[in-house]
Amino acid sequence: KAGVTQTPRYLIKTRGQQVTLSCSPISGHRSVSWYQQTPGQGLQFLFEYFSETQRNKGNFPGRFSGRQFSNSRSEMNVSTLELGDSALYLCASSLKTVQETQYFGPGTRLLVL
Amino acid sequence: QKEVEQNSGPLSVPEGAIASLNCTYSDRGSQSFFWYRQYSGKSPELIMSIYSNGDKEDGRFTAQLNKASQYVSLLIRDSQPSDSATYLCAVILYTGNQFYFGTGTSLTVIP
Repeated sequence: KAGVTQTPRYLIKTRGQQVTLSCSPISGHRSVSWYQQTPGQGLQFLFEYFSETQRNKGNFPGRFSGRQFSNSRSEMNVSTLELGDSALYLCASSLKTVQETQYFGPGTRLLVL
Repeated sequence: QKEVEQNSGPLSVPEGAIASLNCTYSDRGSQSFFWYRQYSGKSPELIMSIYSNGDKEDGRFTAQLNKASQYVSLLIRDSQPSDSATYLCAVILYTGNQFYFGTGTSLTVIP
């Protein structure tokens, strides 16, 4: 089975721009979670989608949003980028619930200049 | 207090020794616990999960859970240089709606 895939792998943006990241879960997995990883804060939960609905949300500003499509693929969007948004963004998928083992994609490394 | 806390290290052990990694969590009602390994520049990969008090062994890895003391640990026996990585502890709190990760412990195994 193919693993979780994320595109693009690297991005460079400037402050004020917006960005869209994509995640394709493992085939058959319906839950997709997004995380932000920075050296100082570690892995922080952004949100989780299941059946095209946002089921859970972390403590991030509204500039961070996401969606899930009927094929379980997910996108996250960050608007009005700030320098502090520079991070590794990881997507993880699980079968049905966030309580199950999550499998991570390779991540998208975003640099905001 | 953070939901999940780990000693950031770095922790250095000689090859062949036992590496001991510890994690504490704040929510007494937490039920699910996971250890992930993350190599530099890579994404986290699952080592093992544990749900009940006691020990769970998988090869050279043993996870230990003590819910009364609210800690979970990972022992790596016969440590190898390839075990050098950051180890992340993850906990699903009682509310059950998301993973909380510790900031990770950096382990270096010295040949």
